[in-house]
Amino acid sequence: KNEVEQSPQNLTAQEGEFITINCSYSVGISALHWLQQHPGGGIVSLFMLSSGKKKHGRLIATINIQEKHSSLHITASHPRDSAVYICAVGSGGGADGLTFGKGTHLIIQP
Amino acid sequence: DTEVTQTPKHLVMGMTNKKSLKCEQHMGHRAMYWYKQKAKKPPELMFVYSYEKLSINESVPSRFSPECPNSSLLNLHLHALQPEDSALYLCASSQVLAKNIQYFGAGTRLSVL
Repeated sequence: KNEVEQSPQNLTAQEGEFITINCSYSVGISALHWLQQHPGGGIVSLFMLSSGKKKHGRLIATINIQEKHSSLHITASHPRDSAVYICAVGSGGGADGLTFGKGTHLIIQP
Repeated sequence: DTEVTQTPKHLVMGMTNKKSLKCEQHMGHRAMYWYKQKAKKPPELMFVYSYEKLSINESVPSRFSPECPNSSLLNLHLHALQPEDSALYLCASSQVLAKNIQYFGAGTRLSVL
């Protein structure tokens, strides 16, 4: 079973700072997902990656398959970015449940 | 429409009750999932349905009984639960592909007294 490690577990930063969250996993994957969870529970998919880099607005996600490592970056952070960010991996084909990291609790202070 | 709808949002039940959680999507997805999330922990996979057939059961106790009556609907039947089963239950759906984005519902927050 895949082990998914995230760091840091908690991060508090000032508005405008550049944020980096890291994720590593132990065995090969079909895809890596970055998810956002706000208080109250709802989970939103931010990115799905199997190689390279993706950008959406102020969010950038990268993955290095050889090193089994991914990073999520937030540029010009804003208090509304405060949430739990979760890295999750899918390991198989077809309908494949995700294995989740423990999440990074991010607080952006004004 | 990229919405996965879960009902009810909140549920309180006694250990002798029988209740059901419901999940619905109209995106044409043929894979549906149940996850359990305890407070301050990541979600854990419980069940996966692929083309309305149970394909993954992560050794979940039999007091949780999933059902997929059609391609849009997923139920989780609950019976004789324990207080430690109190958690947020999340439903998700996706296409049946090796690399699939899963769309999550808002969850049902369950309290077992």
